[in-house]
Amino acid sequence: DVKVTQSSRYLVKRTGEKVFLECVQDMDHENMFWYRQDPGLGLRLIYFSYDVKMKEKGDIPEGYSVSREKKERFSLILESASTNQTSMYLCASNLKSTDTQYFGPGTRLTVL
Amino acid sequence: AQKVTQAQTEISVVEKEDVTLDCVYETRDTTYYLFWYKQPPSGELVFLIRRNSFDEQNEISGRYSWNFQKSTSSFNFTITASQVVDSAVYFCALQGLPRDDKIIFGKGTRLHILP
Repeated sequence: DVKVTQSSRYLVKRTGEKVFLECVQDMDHENMFWYRQDPGLGLRLIYFSYDVKMKEKGDIPEGYSVSREKKERFSLILESASTNQTSMYLCASNLKSTDTQYFGPGTRLTVL
Repeated sequence: AQKVTQAQTEISVVEKEDVTLDCVYETRDTTYYLFWYKQPPSGELVFLIRRNSFDEQNEISGRYSWNFQKSTSSFNFTITASQVVDSAVYFCALQGLPRDDKIIFGKGTRLHILP
């Protein structure tokens, strides 16, 4: 069964803090993705990775970085959190680029 | 440019009614995938269907059915005899092939099924 997990369902941080969002998949998938979801804007791709230590910018990478040291884990990093990064963050993975993406449960981040 | 439009922001229907969620897409790719995902209140996106651009056959899965029409660039989703558990946000999405790994999502349609 497909399984993508995210470290936290809810997170509250203060402006300027460094924030780590973790995503783990147990399906040996090559590709992993980070999206943010905002009302009225749908899902927007932040970064994705198609292999260990590889990363590609998505549509809105500013203010974010990522890390993929192991195949199963893809971390999203907010170097200095700001209030406009308050959002729902969704992680996804797939085996190949032509495969369906499977999503984790999401992390709702609030930056005060 | 690729684009997915879900013109219906929010829909409310009474339980047992049929409801259709519209999706219109734009792409220059000749080969592409279309998707529907469901996002219940719990937040997780649940994959419902993927359709290849070469396969225009309509699909039915229980109370769910999908109508893919390339001539109108539409991929509409119908729920028959709706139930309260169908209440969710539904996203239509497009993935152009083979050059792009990215999926383009529509902004979603929030569906309320009223008891």
